[in-house]
Amino acid sequence: SQQGEEDPQALSIQEGENATMNCSYKTSINNLQWYRQNSGRGLVHLILIRSNEREKHSGRLRVTLDTSKKSSSLLITASRAADTASYFCATPISSGSARQLTFGSGTQLTVLP
Amino acid sequence: DAGITQSPRHKVTETGTPVTLRCHQTENHRYMYWYRQDPGHGLRLIHYSYGVKDTDKGEVSDGYSVSRSKTEDFLLTLESATSSQTSVYFCAISLTSGSTDTQYFGPGTRLTVL
Repeated sequence: SQQGEEDPQALSIQEGENATMNCSYKTSINNLQWYRQNSGRGLVHLILIRSNEREKHSGRLRVTLDTSKKSSSLLITASRAADTASYFCATPISSGSARQLTFGSGTQLTVLP
Repeated sequence: DAGITQSPRHKVTETGTPVTLRCHQTENHRYMYWYRQDPGHGLRLIHYSYGVKDTDKGEVSDGYSVSRSKTEDFLLTLESATSSQTSVYFCAISLTSGSTDTQYFGPGTRLTVL
């Protein structure tokens, strides 16, 4: 079963606006990751935030993590048409003989020019 | 793309036929994964491998088998394809840094079962 769930499922904004996506998860984690998927392509790792971090920045990306609420948010500032993609949060699970990540169902972001 | 290729990239087959998808990596990564992606379900893990000849089941393993006879290749086989296995299949490898694992994905294989 999926650990993380993104909200909203779809988001449409104008170029230059900020986009915020949220992720909620169920069990304790030591990190949370965000990935981007452009149409017809594989997922690409964007950013990782550890459980002892509250906020992390990478370029126009800002990720927050609230372990007490079991939630994270991804903020993309000054969005561009090229940011149009699906965004997924992923959390590690301890199962079986290998480290695994479980992915949410994603937020589809559309940035209109 | 961490040196990951998938073949074929597209395949159309008929119900009941066997299908094998190949994932190839060039950087000697230990962990490899097969996912399927369907609308509304995100990515779901089918099988994974933690070394040569070492594999285990994921969340949606029924109807699939895997093999890893050498480090660089991880094969996913549908013994008798069904229409419910129409999907996009992604292979991934895992890079470990300390206690964290980050995954890198191949370009995907779009499989249609008629």
